[in-house]
Amino acid sequence: GEEVAQTPKHLVRGEGQKAKLYCAPIKGHSYVFWYQQVLKNEFKFLISFQNENVFDETGMPKERFSAKCLPNSPCSLEIQATKLEDSAVYFCASSPAGGLYGYTFGSGTRLTVV
Amino acid sequence: EDKVVQSPLSLVVHEGDTVTLNCSYEVTNFRSLLWYKQEKKAPTFLFMLTSSGIEKKSGRLSSILDKKELFSILNITATQTGDSAVYLCAVLYSGYALNFGKGTSLLVTP
Repeated sequence: GEEVAQTPKHLVRGEGQKAKLYCAPIKGHSYVFWYQQVLKNEFKFLISFQNENVFDETGMPKERFSAKCLPNSPCSLEIQATKLEDSAVYFCASSPAGGLYGYTFGSGTRLTVV
Repeated sequence: EDKVVQSPLSLVVHEGDTVTLNCSYEVTNFRSLLWYKQEKKAPTFLFMLTSSGIEKKSGRLSSILDKKELFSILNITATQTGDSAVYLCAVLYSGYALNFGKGTSLLVTP
């Protein structure tokens, strides 16, 4: 399809629980990016993939965050043992050629940790 | 440290006014600068600027990049209430990640 599909739209987890977010990129886009938007406007880059390979993971908190993009499956972002500070909107974006032609963002998953 | 700074952080104007939003940056390995509009959900793409001095236009919106002075501006003429949104400036650097500014929140009143 022509949109980046993120599921679920909302997710509520108790502190210490696991959270798993999904992203289906636009067909034919080989790059996938995850961003975290805390508060209103603070976007933070987490990780990117080129097909199923990690391209850049410099923004990933290594201890509790992991991500995968496997063939023929939606990409996923998993947070083990969530903390209150993980509450944010997580955006996925995809691109056909790195960022050279811009990205298309999904609608985001709002994670609330209580 | 890389940074992208937008100003003003918020702005209230009347319909019909013209606004100029600013974005300055200090980013190593700069590739291009992008502007996005964010209403309730996903940022939507407005412009990508790679070369200095070339204005990009789309309807009432236009943008230009100055790579010598390291800034960009986004102009909106004849503003409408539908232009109310957060406007995000982001710099694409090597590795293809985007470094975002904090955004300018624009409110256009009738």
